[in-house]
Amino acid sequence: GAVVSQHPSRVICKSGTSVKIECRSLDFQATTMFWYRQFPKQSLMLMATSNEGSKATYEQGVEKDKFLINHASLTLSTLTVTSAHPEDSSFYICSASLGGGSYEQYFGPGTRLTVT
Amino acid sequence: GENVEQHPSTLSVQEGDSAVIKCTYSDSASNYFPWYKQELGKRPQLIIDIRSNVGEKKDQRIAVTLNKTAKHFSLHITETQPEDSAVYFCAARGGADGLTFGKGTHLIIQP
Repeated sequence: GAVVSQHPSRVICKSGTSVKIECRSLDFQATTMFWYRQFPKQSLMLMATSNEGSKATYEQGVEKDKFLINHASLTLSTLTVTSAHPEDSSFYICSASLGGGSYEQYFGPGTRLTVT
Repeated sequence: GENVEQHPSTLSVQEGDSAVIKCTYSDSASNYFPWYKQELGKRPQLIIDIRSNVGEKKDQRIAVTLNKTAKHFSLHITETQPEDSAVYFCAARGGADGLTFGKGTHLIIQP
């Protein structure tokens, strides 16, 4: 149980275009999902907290107009990287928790974004 | 916000020996401290976690200790094996917040 999927696993796009990444909780409902970014040989950094039915909460330094987050249902959150640039190339990972006092976060497999 | 420091950045041990990785955190409100193992290009895998109401937790060869007063927690791996080689991350979380990760430790098990 507690499986989180992401799609796509890899994407290559041209500079200036937008890319959408999906995060799904397959066997549980997640009122809260989290988006992280990981540059090569670095740690994971929290970008934003995605709340179902409300606006996402962004960490300091993360541009909300560039990284659009939509959490339209209890099993799906999407991250759209708008007007992507080469410096946005990174590994994007989402996670979700069961809630109700459970602290463990279940991570998706990640999406490797390359902007050319 | 929370700040998590992790040491060392690289740790090389002989197979069969023990490995210890240490982390400190800054926010006294943090109450959940997981440890993850990550292989290249893969998602982080939870290997052990501890809540702030517990001082120590053990699972076979892996143990975690937490000192709330000093705001530090440590990962202990005993009888290390080649398959333990990976990057390990500590993290801290308060309430319903997202995780703040340490910078990671590259653990190398020498045969």
